Amino acid sequence: NAGVTQTPKFRILKIGQSMTLQCTQDMNHNYMYWYRQDPGMGLKLIYYSVGAGITDKGEVPNGYNVSRSTTEDFPLRLELAAPSQTSVYFCASIARGGFGTDTQYFGPGTRLTVL
Amino acid sequence: SQELEQSPQSLIVQEGKNLTINCTSSKTLYGLYWYKQKYGEGLIFLMMLQKGGEEKSHEKITAKLDEKKQQSSLHITASQPSHAGIYLCGADLSGNTPLVFGKGTRLSVIA
Repeated sequence: NAGVTQTPKFRILKIGQSMTLQCTQDMNHNYMYWYRQDPGMGLKLIYYSVGAGITDKGEVPNGYNVSRSTTEDFPLRLELAAPSQTSVYFCASIARGGFGTDTQYFGPGTRLTVL
Repeated sequence: SQELEQSPQSLIVQEGKNLTINCTSSKTLYGLYWYKQKYGEGLIFLMMLQKGGEEKSHEKITAKLDEKKQQSSLHITASQPSHAGIYLCGADLSGNTPLVFGKGTRLSVIA
């Protein structure tokens, strides 16, 4: 298994541009998450999905959109990029979610800079 | 307010010394996860604790969850340069939701 893969690893955007961060997992996990990590701030949840066709907002969803058409893929879309979206983005997945019974696997991250 | 507090924020220890990192929640934890992150890299899963009083060890790292399931500690014995990095605790606070994370503890190990 490749686990959780993310592309691209690095990206520089100009203000107002759009882009999609790709996330794929091959573990047949139902639950997938997008986090952003700002320096010294830990991880904050952007969006999550409990299965194909189902998505929900996390703590900081503004400026982002997601879709989950398949179990494997959970892309994160940035519309009209702003400097405040400069961050490291992590995708994660877990088999069932909740009850502290499953390991959450993380992708290697996408480092995004908006200038 | 931060639901999960980690302390200390940063730590510098001499190689060979022991250290402890704490993670405290205002709510009962359904599950507590410890991760390690090296600068610029993803998170590496270390251990997961679920039961009150549970303790797990892997090599020189031991994690404990208190009986009330509101605090966890991560203890490193005889620290080495390879232990340096950011340690993050993540918690399942309500049994069926995404993890929430502490802000992390940055550990440096000096020779």
